[in-house]
Amino acid sequence: DAKTTQPPSMDCAEGRAANLPCNHSTISGNEYVYWYRQIHSQGPQYIIHGLKNNETNEMASLIITEDRKSSTLILPHATLRDTAVYYCIVRAFNNAGNMLTFGGGTRLMVKP
Amino acid sequence: DAGITQSPRHKVTETGTPVTLRCHQTENHRYMYWYRQDPGHGLRLIHYSYGVKDTDKGEVSDGYSVSRSKTEDFLLTLESATSSQTSVYFCAISGGRQLGNTIYFGEGSWLTVV
Repeated sequence: DAKTTQPPSMDCAEGRAANLPCNHSTISGNEYVYWYRQIHSQGPQYIIHGLKNNETNEMASLIITEDRKSSTLILPHATLRDTAVYYCIVRAFNNAGNMLTFGGGTRLMVKP
Repeated sequence: DAGITQSPRHKVTETGTPVTLRCHQTENHRYMYWYRQDPGHGLRLIHYSYGVKDTDKGEVSDGYSVSRSKTEDFLLTLESATSSQTSVYFCAISGGRQLGNTIYFGEGSWLTVV
């Protein structure tokens, strides 16, 4: 699986958009980009995923560059409850389904 | 909620004793996984299953075994617990490509080996 690089931490003001970057320069053509988050002492929570088109759901938007070497997760109006560690993961499908390899993630702190 | 129940949620055990963690799902998903999470290491895959009685090793499988006799249950066993196995253990499930390939996680089992 391709590796990802994320900043270790970021701050965001409550009510503002949080833009979390991820670099995945070695991504292969059939690999998806997944985003998860983990709030303290809870299990990782799925947020969104995409292949090459931008995606949006009720939680967030995912912007993938045209060359697919990087992406940005956007939380449009961050709240204090969005404080968490956010993981950007590149997934390769194999016979065992979609195993995920987690890196260090970005610790997002939403401040009042 | 993803329909995943882990038990026990918290356990303290002594070095050398066997421990079994259970993951139960109500989604009838084909794939099930056991991860552990430790400070400085993030989430690491221990074992996974792609069907009843079909399992394989992950990144950190030494000292662990698994069994899946039914679709809904995936058991993780520490044959002889060691202090290095003190960790938070997460079970995960996935329905595969037909169901969007998304993995969903349980709430975790905290294990302390003393």
